[in-house]
Amino acid sequence: AQKITQTQPGMFVQEKEAVTLDCTYDTSDQSYGLFWYKQPSSGEMIFLIYQGSYDEQNATEGRYSLNFQKARKSANLVISASQLGDSAMYFCAMREVMNSGYSTLTFGKGTMLLVSP
Amino acid sequence: EAGVAQSPRYKIIEKRQSVAFWCNPISGHATLYWYQQILGQGPKLLIQFQNNGVVDDSQLPKDRFSAERLKGVDSTLKIQPAKLEDSAVYLCASSLVGTGVYTEAFFGQGTRLTVV
Repeated sequence: AQKITQTQPGMFVQEKEAVTLDCTYDTSDQSYGLFWYKQPSSGEMIFLIYQGSYDEQNATEGRYSLNFQKARKSANLVISASQLGDSAMYFCAMREVMNSGYSTLTFGKGTMLLVSP
Repeated sequence: EAGVAQSPRYKIIEKRQSVAFWCNPISGHATLYWYQQILGQGPKLLIQFQNNGVVDDSQLPKDRFSAERLKGVDSTLKIQPAKLEDSAVYLCASSLVGTGVYTEAFFGQGTRLTVV
């Protein structure tokens, strides 16, 4: 089973509009972390926002917010007031602790966001 | 603070040839990761080092891929012999620690490998 599922291969949004990128996850752990990364065409992975499984409030970082619904195992990224520079691939990722005691980061397949003027 | 450095940025090789990628993590970061990102997909973890020891290599095709992190700093990833399906971007990342669920990983710009 996929640990991270991103069902939207591509999304289109107009500049200044808000957009939601979906992410669902699968884990039996009580403690885990959820991350969103942005990957522009240049290739580097840029960290955007983090949500811990025990965090009661939804995370926010500037124009980014994370809509965390623990019971539904979803962690959707909301980008408010989209800008042309937001056009990129967006990846949802989960960090879990392995049997070894170390934690590992698993990514979804990503969503391509295109922002139009 | 310098970021994760990778080289080369691009590499084109013929199938059955060998290739090596180099990664220099952020200074002081104990954990180093190599990911493979095939076009249109998310990054897949190949191997994770804690200092100079391997903590996870369950998805590394060990018949052709090898990696080392001598002295717990720089790392090299080697493919020998390469196959067409190895064409991908190879991302190196590092984090300060390798435990806990809030551990931010910092990524390099990747090496784009094309096998022809």
